[in-house]
Formats: sequence, structure tokens, C-alpha cells
Amino acid sequence: GENVEQHPSTLSVQEGDSAVIKCTYSDSASNYFPWYKQELGKRPQLIIDIRSNVGEKKDQRIAVTLNKTAKHFSLHITETQPEDSAVYFCAASMNNAGNMLTFGGGTRLMVKP
Amino acid sequence: DAGVIQSPRHEVTEMGQEVTLRCKPISGHNSLFWYRQTMMRGLELLIYFNNNVPIDDSGMPEDRFSAKMPNASFSTLKIQPSEPRDSAVYFCASSPSSGWAREQYFGPGTRLTVT
Repeated sequence: GENVEQHPSTLSVQEGDSAVIKCTYSDSASNYFPWYKQELGKRPQLIIDIRSNVGEKKDQRIAVTLNKTAKHFSLHITETQPEDSAVYFCAASMNNAGNMLTFGGGTRLMVKP
Repeated sequence: DAGVIQSPRHEVTEMGQEVTLRCKPISGHNSLFWYRQTMMRGLELLIYFNNNVPIDDSGMPEDRFSAKMPNASFSTLKIQPSEPRDSAVYFCASSPSSGWAREQYFGPGTRLTVT
């Protein structure tokens, strides 16, 4: 089955700096890669996703890049703010029945004011 | 839309007791997922259903865990008997399964404490 590795497990940045979180996946059949943000005590929520027919997608201060050849994808957050502090999960999915996602282990991002 | 609904939000029980967690997915979503989240093991998929049929239950830890989805608007996750190591936050999520629309919408979770 699919295996998703996520690094780093914790990341501390100064407010205003950029943050990058990286994930690798094992199954070349995966074609959908979402990122979820989970604030303390809350539920995971989708913040951005990318499909395998695109190399990059941007939404305001967040962007995701995908390298299908290397089987890795990354989340980039620019001009970080304290409210960006949360746990971020990457995931991968194939176009199978039920839309099962395989999640990475999560990255705890701390933005220091 | 009210989103995915889970009950109870918090459950405290003693070891050996039966625990039943409930989930109502978003109307029209074909897929339903049960996850367990702990600090040590992160977010683990326990089981998922497509059109009310269990597709993959390989994440269910042992026979003490069982899940059902009797209709498109209701699912349960049961633990019998419960043990302290079952303490975790249990999330239910639902997703439309048509085409590229694969976002999973999570419920608020049930925080389970087994003493």
C-alpha cells in the first residue's frame, strides 16, 4: 500500500519568515495530494490540494509543489503569522473507490512573534 | 449544512466497559472514515466505508473494535471491552466519491478517556 513520509516533525520559525514542509510518497499511482491544518483541539481541515496533472498551486500565502518523478511534494508558507501555528498533515490518494487518504505523520509548526 | 456530526464529544469510562461512538456524515457523501489520533501514533485510519459497505478495515486494532454503517446517514464505532490504551480522539470524516472531489470533511471528534 501507499506510504507517506513527512519532514520535519517540528518546525519553529520567526514571524514573517517562510516555512517549508516536505513529504514523499511510495506509490506512483497516487494522483491527489491534499494538505490539512489542525489547530490545537480542533479537527483537521483542508487548506490546499494538488492533482498530479499540475506541478504547482498557490493560494495567497500558501503554495504546494509536486515532483512526480521524485515522488515528493512540499507545502510552502510565506510571511508566516502566529495564527499559522498548528499541526500540518500531508496525504496522498489514488483514484480508488472511497477516496482513501494515506496521511503523513504531521509537522508541528510554531511561529514565534 | 451542519457538517459531520459526532457524538458524544467527550466520553470517560472505566476499563472493561463498552463504548459506542456515533457519526452522521454530510448528506450526499458516499464515503465515511473512522480515524484515531494520539500523540504517539498520529492520525490512524481505522476503517472506511463506501456506499455503506466496509472497504478496508485493516486499521482496526483488534477484535475489540467493530464498526457499522446501517444506512447512508449513520455509522457507529464500538469498543468492547475498552482498555486504557484506547484513550484517544476519534474522528469521523466523510467525502464525496465522485471524480476529483476527494476532500475529506472531519467531524469535531470524540475525546475518549478510559480509566
